[in-house]
Amino acid sequence: AQKITQTQPGMFVQEKEAVTLDCTYDTSDPSYGLFWYKQPSSGEMIFLIYQGSYDQQNATEGRYSLNFQKARKSANLVISASQLGDSAMYFCAMREPNFGNEKLTFGTGTRLTIIP
Amino acid sequence: DVKVTQSSRYLVKRTGEKVFLECVQDMDHENMFWYRQDPGLGLRLIYFSYDVKMKEKGDIPEGYSVSREKKERFSLILESASTNQTSMYLCASSFGLTGTEAFFGQGTRLTVV
Repeated sequence: AQKITQTQPGMFVQEKEAVTLDCTYDTSDPSYGLFWYKQPSSGEMIFLIYQGSYDQQNATEGRYSLNFQKARKSANLVISASQLGDSAMYFCAMREPNFGNEKLTFGTGTRLTIIP
Repeated sequence: DVKVTQSSRYLVKRTGEKVFLECVQDMDHENMFWYRQDPGLGLRLIYFSYDVKMKEKGDIPEGYSVSREKKERFSLILESASTNQTSMYLCASSFGLTGTEAFFGQGTRLTVV
């Protein structure tokens, strides 16, 4: 079974609009972490935001916020006031304990295109 | 600046060759990971390591092995390269603490002909 599910292969959004990228996860461990990464066409992986399973508040980093709904096992990324430079692949990832160490698993990604 | 360096950006190898992909990090990270990235499939975990000489299979370990003789270096080995191993390979490292992001190398695009 997929640990991380991103159901939107591609999205087109008008510049300056807000955009929500969906991510659901599957784990039975109470302690885990959720991440979002951005991969522009250059190929580098850029860390955007992190949410811990015990965090009471949704994480925010500048224009990025993470809409964490624990009961639904959902960790959607919200980008406010989108910019042309936001066009990229976006990956959701989960870190979970794995027999004394930690495993980091990614989803299939969403390609976001910002339209001028 | 944290640096994760992969030895090659592009690599072309022949079917049946033994291939080594090297990854070095300079942040004293405990955890290191190898992924392959294919269109539509995202990043799939091949192997990971949480300490020297320790390794764990990821989701797609078949056809691969790894070596971690020193803390800073994590090598991915294709014992006998096949065309279906043509892919982008990404190495990452992180501290062994929940909540710390992983840092990635620039990737190695491997083509097996």
